[in-house]
Amino acid sequence: EDKVVQSPLSLVVHEGDTVTLNCSYEVTNFRSLLWYKQEKKAPTFLFMLTSSGIEKKSGRLSSILDKKELFSILNITATQTGDSAIYLCAVEARSGNKLTFGGGTRVLVKP
Amino acid sequence: GAVVSQHPSWVICKSGTSVKIECRSLDFQATTMFWYRQFPKQSLMLMATSNEGSKATYEQGVEKDKFLINHASLTLSTLTVTSAHPEDSSFYICSARSGEGVHEQYFGPGTRLTVT
Repeated sequence: EDKVVQSPLSLVVHEGDTVTLNCSYEVTNFRSLLWYKQEKKAPTFLFMLTSSGIEKKSGRLSSILDKKELFSILNITATQTGDSAIYLCAVEARSGNKLTFGGGTRVLVKP
Repeated sequence: GAVVSQHPSWVICKSGTSVKIECRSLDFQATTMFWYRQFPKQSLMLMATSNEGSKATYEQGVEKDKFLINHASLTLSTLTVTSAHPEDSSFYICSARSGEGVHEQYFGPGTRLTVT
């Protein structure tokens, strides 16, 4: 059974801080790992990672995948209150095209 | 970007009644839609994969006779919770895939179901 574990469960930071979110996984025939941001309702897509060691970057967010150690990290630099959300990590196996989600990390950025 | 809507956004029903939730892709055709369930402070759990014109594929442990899924067109899938019980109270989210890539999957805003 595919498994995705995220840590920490939650964290509170102040504006301007940097946060690092972790996602470890066990999946048969890994295809890709995805990060989503869920603010109030629908998760929105952030990154899709398929290759080790190649950083994906979008503004203050970046992410990297380590397929040998089976984990990914999501970094947010110079955090803003608008970054407050639940960040979800999901993996896709080669069979099925479906996503298995981790439990999420709840981030609260205080002014 | 691709937009997915859900209706209703929240619903309260009595035990024993059935509730239908609609998921629509507004500006694209979706051959595949997914239904998820999310309990408070928990992650998304895939319930079933819905393909247009064919029977849905349910995940292990999900009762297909209780959670009826109909994907009648390329823009609409429905989830009917039959004979609802309080333990069915949850946040139900659908997603629709616009292309072949898994990242081309867009989520609806969710439906909060409360069964009293």
